[in-house]
Amino acid sequence: AQSVTQLDSQVPVFEEAPVELRCNYSSSVSVYLFWYVQYPNQGLQLLLKYLSGSTLVESINGFEAEFNKSQTSFHLRKPSVHISDTAEYFCAVSDPGTASKLTFGTGTRLQVTL
Amino acid sequence: NAGVTQTPKFQVLKTGQSMTLQCAQDMNHEYMSWYRQDPGMGLRLIHYSVGAGITDQGEVPNGYNVSRSTTEDFPLRLLSAAPSQTSVYFCASSYRDNEQFFGPGTRLTVL
Repeated sequence: AQSVTQLDSQVPVFEEAPVELRCNYSSSVSVYLFWYVQYPNQGLQLLLKYLSGSTLVESINGFEAEFNKSQTSFHLRKPSVHISDTAEYFCAVSDPGTASKLTFGTGTRLQVTL
Repeated sequence: NAGVTQTPKFQVLKTGQSMTLQCAQDMNHEYMSWYRQDPGMGLRLIHYSVGAGITDQGEVPNGYNVSRSTTEDFPLRLLSAAPSQTSVYFCASSYRDNEQFFGPGTRLTVL
């Protein structure tokens, strides 16, 4: 069975500072990887995804994540955060061909302050 | 498009009561799923469907039933509510092997 580990439950950071949210997964087969963001009292929104191809994927709002197969990681990074990035971030994994069956990590709460 | 819609937004039940959480999508997605979100546990898959008439169990299916009679709708039924089912429930849909789109959630409290 797959599992996803998000080691940091909370990450406090000052505005304009860089941030990295860590995600490790355990799977013996090929995987699809996702980062979702959840703003307070809302549903989840896709931030970025890795299905195949380039191991570095980017979002439209400046986040990026790199798929590292040897380290089974998919860490999320942003070089300069904004107050509006304050949210909960979830890493998720699925087997190729089973996009309806996501396994989620426990989430990381990113708190951006002035 | 409305995307994925869920009703109700909030619900309070007494132990032993039954109810149905509604989920609908207007994107003609084949795949639909139900998750529950609990503090410190992320989201866990309850049931999923890969098309009308086809459903299967996820990680935490006990106490829940689903059916998929149409492509658009995927209701989740609680047969006899228990306090352990207090949670936020999210429905999601996807087109084949791609990312899932989530609804706004239903916050359920079982007393």
